Amino acid sequence: AQSVSQHNHHVILSEAASLELGCNYSYGGTVNLFWYVQYPGQHLQLLLKYFSGDPLVKGIKGFEAEFIKSKFSFNLRKPSVQWSDTAEYFCALDNSNSGYALNFGKGTSLLVTP
Amino acid sequence: DAGVIQSPRHEVTEMGQEVTLRCKPISGHNSLFWYRQTMMRGLELLIYFNNNVPIDDSGMPEDRFSAKMPNASFSTLKIQPSEPRDSAVYFCASSHLADTQYFGPGTRLTVL
Repeated sequence: AQSVSQHNHHVILSEAASLELGCNYSYGGTVNLFWYVQYPGQHLQLLLKYFSGDPLVKGIKGFEAEFIKSKFSFNLRKPSVQWSDTAEYFCALDNSNSGYALNFGKGTSLLVTP
Repeated sequence: DAGVIQSPRHEVTEMGQEVTLRCKPISGHNSLFWYRQTMMRGLELLIYFNNNVPIDDSGMPEDRFSAKMPNASFSTLKIQPSEPRDSAVYFCASSHLADTQYFGPGTRLTVL
């Protein structure tokens, strides 16, 4: 069985603070990893993804994530958040055995205050 | 491309009524996924199709839920009869083979 765990359910940061959201997964085989963002009232959008290769992945809007296989982790980072980053962030994985259907973590709600 | 299109965007109905949610995937995508989002359970996969064929419906809560994909450009998710616990946001997503999934805007369903 596969699962995704996001440790922080609610995060509040001031603008310009650095962000790191934790994501750990449980699966013994090869996985693809994703971070999606859901802005208030909007649908999910892909921030970044890791399929293979360089474990440091850069996404849109200055976000990046690092795949650490030994730790089964794929943490999301941004050096300086903006008020517009206020959103719900979801870590997800898929693999060939699941038909590439996404298995999501519970999400982290980020509030960035001015 | 218009992206994944879902309708209706909002649906309010009474318990016991039939509800039909619709999805038009991105043209050329051959995989279609239905997810449900609730506060308690987060985002859950309900069912997915490859080349219009249902592959895994193990996430469908019970027999009241059914999904069809009669052609490559249309899918429906039906709940009959609906219950208040079905209230959620239902997302449709599509992808090409094993590539990135693109999500629609969702249908917010409220069952009174």
